[in-house]
Amino acid sequence: KAGVTQTPRYLIKTRGQQVTLSCSPISGHRSVSWYQQTPGQGLQFLFEYFSETQRNKGNFPGRFSGRQFSNSRSEMNVSTLELGDSALYLCASSLGSVEQYFGPGTRLTVT
Amino acid sequence: GENVEQHPSTLSVQEGDSAVIKCTYSDSASNYFPWYKQELGKRPQLIIDIRSNVGEKKDQRIAVTLNKTAKHFSLHITETQPEDSAVYFCAANPAGGTSYGKLTFGQGTILTVHP
Repeated sequence: KAGVTQTPRYLIKTRGQQVTLSCSPISGHRSVSWYQQTPGQGLQFLFEYFSETQRNKGNFPGRFSGRQFSNSRSEMNVSTLELGDSALYLCASSLGSVEQYFGPGTRLTVT
Repeated sequence: GENVEQHPSTLSVQEGDSAVIKCTYSDSASNYFPWYKQELGKRPQLIIDIRSNVGEKKDQRIAVTLNKTAKHFSLHITETQPEDSAVYFCAANPAGGTSYGKLTFGQGTILTVHP
């Protein structure tokens, strides 16, 4: 089976802009979770989607949002980008239980 | 919410030695504890996991132990090899079965295995 894929792999944006990241889960997986990874804060949970419904949300401002489509692909959006949003954004897919398999991530740089 | 503490932050061993990384968690309802290995520039890779109804689990050179009473779990790597060098993360799934997709991670341990 193909693994989790994320696009784009790298992004450079300017403060105040918005960005959309995409995640395609492993075939058959219905749960997609998103995490932010930074050197200072480590891996932090953003939100999780299952069957197009947000099932869990982490402690991030409302500028961070997401959605899931009927084919389980997921997108996350960050509006009004800040310098502190520079990070590696990882998505992970799961069959519906707890084992999560990560994608390669999208490296976002905000200038 | 759940809080996971991981120690040590760095660990340096000689090839062939054993390595032990320890994590403690705060939410007694957590019932799933995975370990991830992340090599430089790569994605986190699930290497082993344990559920709260099991005390120990082994997979070749890797083992994980869980002490629910003390709320800590540990990763043991035996006969370390240079390719084991990476950052290792522990995690906990808080609030049991109601937080399926949410993992709370420790801060990571940089393991270096010297040939």
